[in-house]
Amino acid sequence: GEDVEQSLFLSVREGDSSVINCTYTDSSSTYLYWYKQEPGAGLQLLTYIFSNMDMKQDQRLTVLLNKKDKHLSLRIADTQTGDSAIYFCAERPSGTYKYIFGTGTRLKVLA
Amino acid sequence: GAGVSQSPSNKVTEKGKDVELRCDPISGHTALYWYRQSLGQGLEFLIYFQGNSAPDKSGLPSDRFSAERTGGSVSTLTIQRTQQEDSAVYLCASSYTGTGRYEQYFGPGTRLTVT
Repeated sequence: GEDVEQSLFLSVREGDSSVINCTYTDSSSTYLYWYKQEPGAGLQLLTYIFSNMDMKQDQRLTVLLNKKDKHLSLRIADTQTGDSAIYFCAERPSGTYKYIFGTGTRLKVLA
Repeated sequence: GAGVSQSPSNKVTEKGKDVELRCDPISGHTALYWYRQSLGQGLEFLIYFQGNSAPDKSGLPSDRFSAERTGGSVSTLTIQRTQQEDSAVYLCASSYTGTGRYEQYFGPGTRLTVT
């Protein structure tokens, strides 16, 4: 099927690391993306990774890609209360402009 | 530069009325997408426009929904004879396709409530 799967909820303590996981479906996807949605707002692009990479680091964010298992993860180091939001992963299959979004993971950061 | 803008930010309408939602993409972005997000749900793809190509309308849920994009820029999503199940946040995104990455930039959304 075409479902991109994510766990629905994650709760962490402030200062800890958060890891949000995603399983995508199309091995032809050349780019994979992470978006953040704060309450009442649209989606904000956080980062992306090209499919020939295993890892990408961008400040507190680390993206890991396992193409064999079609598994993508987003690690947020030193998680802050401002990181509380819904996080969506998305894939874009080769040859199309269309994204397939995951269901979103709601991250709650406890002070 | 300016991001994607959408108007109105909120719209309350009576069941059976028509509504128009507007999206102004980032200048120079050739691709434009509409999504629907129901309360607590993920994103449901509705339609996308790419340059002068025919739009991909495969996500429109019924023939009450239509969209157009004039001059390759502003887009309007029209819902005719609104129903209560149309209540949702409608998100627009635009994308520059020249880099190959096609990252989408989203507007703040229009919250539609059908009473």
